[in-house]
Amino acid sequence: DTEVTQTPKHLVMGMTNKKSLKCEQHMGHRAMYWYKQKAKKPPELMFVYSYEKLSINESVPSRFSPECPNSSLLNLHLHALQPEDSALYLCASSPREGNQPQHFGDGTRLSIL
Amino acid sequence: KQEVTQIPAALSVPEGENLVLNCSFTDSAIYNLQWFRQDPGKGLTSLLLIQSSQREQTSGRLNASLDKSSGRSTLYIAASQPGDSATYLCAVHNTDKLIFGTGTRLQVFP
Repeated sequence: DTEVTQTPKHLVMGMTNKKSLKCEQHMGHRAMYWYKQKAKKPPELMFVYSYEKLSINESVPSRFSPECPNSSLLNLHLHALQPEDSALYLCASSPREGNQPQHFGDGTRLSIL
Repeated sequence: KQEVTQIPAALSVPEGENLVLNCSFTDSAIYNLQWFRQDPGKGLTSLLLIQSSQREQTSGRLNASLDKSSGRSTLYIAASQPGDSATYLCAVHNTDKLIFGTGTRLQVFP
């Protein structure tokens, strides 16, 4: 069982919808990450939060909006997505930002119609 | 810019074989290297983490080695089993980011 929990597991949405992905960890980690993974490709970093503050934004389009309400929770708000945004979205956490081992959730499979 | 490559891209073997998966990286200034396993449609499971000062790490049938100076790491799987079938990803910690390799898709058949 993964210690990083992501919901929902699957999400289908239209290009005009607004939805959110949720990630939760209770390991006391203070760094949390969002990755995007296309089929048969490695994960690509999107955002890093360190102590609930945005640390890294890898030039992600503004239709993706991250939020870290507290040290255990990380959200990714989605609005006006494009079909090419269909992918597996992975959340990870680590004790602190930097060269720390990262623990991943099972991901949310997102399909944009 | 750090680039991480894995060879082979895919591998299909009968169970019982000993396997070697390769990972190479272009910038040797890494903090550590992590090997992951990913089952289809699932997240990543961490297998082994090797610090830059270490040469190898072992966990059960898995052994990972690191040669920082040559920019290489290998993952050795002993006595492979059908349950080992998955995609294996190596990733290097470079400053503040984890850079993933291209992955090796492994199939072990009975």
